[in-house]
Amino acid sequence: NAGVTQTPKFQVLKTGQSMTLQCAQDMNHNSMYWYRQDPGMGLRLIYYSASEGTTDKGEVPNGYNVSRLNKREFSLRLESAAPSQTSVYFCASITNTNIQYFGAGTRLSVL
Amino acid sequence: QKEVEQNSGPLSVPEGAIASLNCTYSDRGSQSFFWYRQYSGKSPELIMFIYSNGDKEDGRFTAQLNKASQYVSLLIRDSQPSDSATYLCAELTGGYQKVTFGTGTKLQVIP
Repeated sequence: NAGVTQTPKFQVLKTGQSMTLQCAQDMNHNSMYWYRQDPGMGLRLIYYSASEGTTDKGEVPNGYNVSRLNKREFSLRLESAAPSQTSVYFCASITNTNIQYFGAGTRLSVL
Repeated sequence: QKEVEQNSGPLSVPEGAIASLNCTYSDRGSQSFFWYRQYSGKSPELIMFIYSNGDKEDGRFTAQLNKASQYVSLLIRDSQPSDSATYLCAELTGGYQKVTFGTGTKLQVIP
């Protein structure tokens, strides 16, 4: 299906391990986003990218790095995972008319 | 302090009633506002998008924006049990399509 694809869907890490969450969209959108969602907290913006080669911090960037590899792909990296980073992570992209599309989410547990 | 504030609920309404969901925001520069619906374990899906003062109607949904008072609301007429979900308010700010979310309001429609 066309849209926003996130991998993996589930992941369990040990404290201190690193991993990269992948996101790709095939809708030729300029802007892409990474959010995390914790119970009762809504969606909190981690980083966003307005175009290839640019990234900006959101509300909760600490402990994360991002790469906008090309127009299609926007990855999120945890260099040293902590239990506080246990969450559901959503990637999204947005049209020129401000309609945002979300991936299915990555459920991450850090033990 | 979140830039977008919502009452977490739960808001309980009987089937067939009008559900009223509210959201306030702090940034007078915010351009546009969104209402998303999110079922448990699923990704958010866009319901309404509003950027002008006043009302915008789409089927059973009406979004209301009051920029002077800095609030956005969503009315759901003839509420159905299938409307039971968490409703997320979001704002778009700046020239780079930055989208941030409130914490969400859980709606329960009682048959």
